[in-house]
This record gives sequence, C-alpha cells and structure tokens, in this order.
Amino acid sequence: DAGVIQSPRHEVTEMGQEVTLRCKPISGHNSLFWYRQTMMRGLELLIYFNNNVPIDDSGMPEDRFSAKMPNASFSTLKIQPSEPRDSAVYFCASSLDGGFRPDTQYFGPGTRLTVL
Amino acid sequence: AQTVTQSQPEMSVQEAETVTLSCTYDTSESDYYLFWYKQPPSRQMILVIRQEAYKQQNATENRFSVNFQKAAKSFSLKISDSQLGDAAMYFCAYVNSNSGYALNFGKGTSLLVTP
Repeated sequence: DAGVIQSPRHEVTEMGQEVTLRCKPISGHNSLFWYRQTMMRGLELLIYFNNNVPIDDSGMPEDRFSAKMPNASFSTLKIQPSEPRDSAVYFCASSLDGGFRPDTQYFGPGTRLTVL
Repeated sequence: AQTVTQSQPEMSVQEAETVTLSCTYDTSESDYYLFWYKQPPSRQMILVIRQEAYKQQNATENRFSVNFQKAAKSFSLKISDSQLGDAAMYFCAYVNSNSGYALNFGKGTSLLVTP
C-alpha cells in the first residue's frame, strides 16, 4: 500500500520565485493536511481539507501562500513569491475521518524547502 | 487552547535497555486522542502509538507502550529493549475528538541509542 506521496523531496529556489509543492494522499482518505516544520515554531498546521473542501486555512501565514485540492487524490501548496523565512520542511498528511471523530493522520516524507 | 509539553529535549539509552519519554498536555476536554510520532533523520513522521482518552487500558505496540494518566494529563512513552534504529526525534501530539482535527505537537525529544 502506497503511503502519502510528496514531491519534490527537496527544493532550492531563490527569493521571489514561485514554489509549488505536491501531495498525493492515501487512496480512500478524505482528509488532507499541510503542516510546516521549523526549528523555531515546531510543527504547525497550515491548512486542512475535508472531502476536497478547505475547512480551516487559519494557519496559512499570509497571502503569499495558497493551497488547492482539485480532486481526492491531489493537492498543491503554492508560495508566490517565496522568501527566505519560508525555508522549512513541509509535510502533507491524510486521514480517513468517520465524520465525528478524527482518525490517525499519516504523513508523507516531507519537502525540504530552501529559499536563498 | 491545548498545549503539549515535552520536558526532555534529549534522552540517551543503551541498546537493549528501557527508556521512558515524558509528555504532558493541557486541555479542558474529556474526549481526545494522543499520539507518539517518530521522526528519524530521514524526516519521515512515523506513527508509533495512539491512545484514545476514553480507554483506560494503556496502548501497546510491540516494544512500545504508553503510561496514560488522564487525571494527571500525562502520556509517557516507554521503549523496551531499545534498538539502534529507535534513535530519532519523538513527538507527542494531541487532537480534540469533538471538533478537532489539527494535531498539536510538543517540541520533541531527541533519543540517542548507544551500543
């Protein structure tokens, strides 16, 4: 069984460039999460989708960040324009929610983003 | 707001020995889930164990077990017969069952396993 798939695994870009991170959740899962991990702030939720609909994007840092989930098997997180402070590891996670109770979130391998 | 505290930034254990990682959390909710995730140098976040607050029995997964003290809001992870492959960052996480979905993570404990 394939787990959560993320691409690219590493991304190095220059300040001002657009960055797109991609995620394929586990087949059959209906919830998808984007997290960011930094030394200063630890792991924090950026956005949560349920059945392809964004439910909570309060963790998205600012307008430079946007996320989409066009179908149940694909999501993107875009940063435009990127800044050095965006350098972090970005994780995608998915879960199968029964409706009332949250279920275990399974994480992808992460994308290490470096903005020069 | 819920907070998760891991008071041990680093721990060390000898191979084959037992180690316990501490985690406390603060919540006013009665129904929630707690997790331990392992993050090795590869950065992958791997689920180690999960505990539902309504269950009194402590969860176990092979060499990994928890000591869940609901009244004390404590959720420690015990690793028995430690192996070199157990070396990693370990994160404790909380999610509210009723309306929650976002995992609240602690800062992590770095576990070193020595031969």
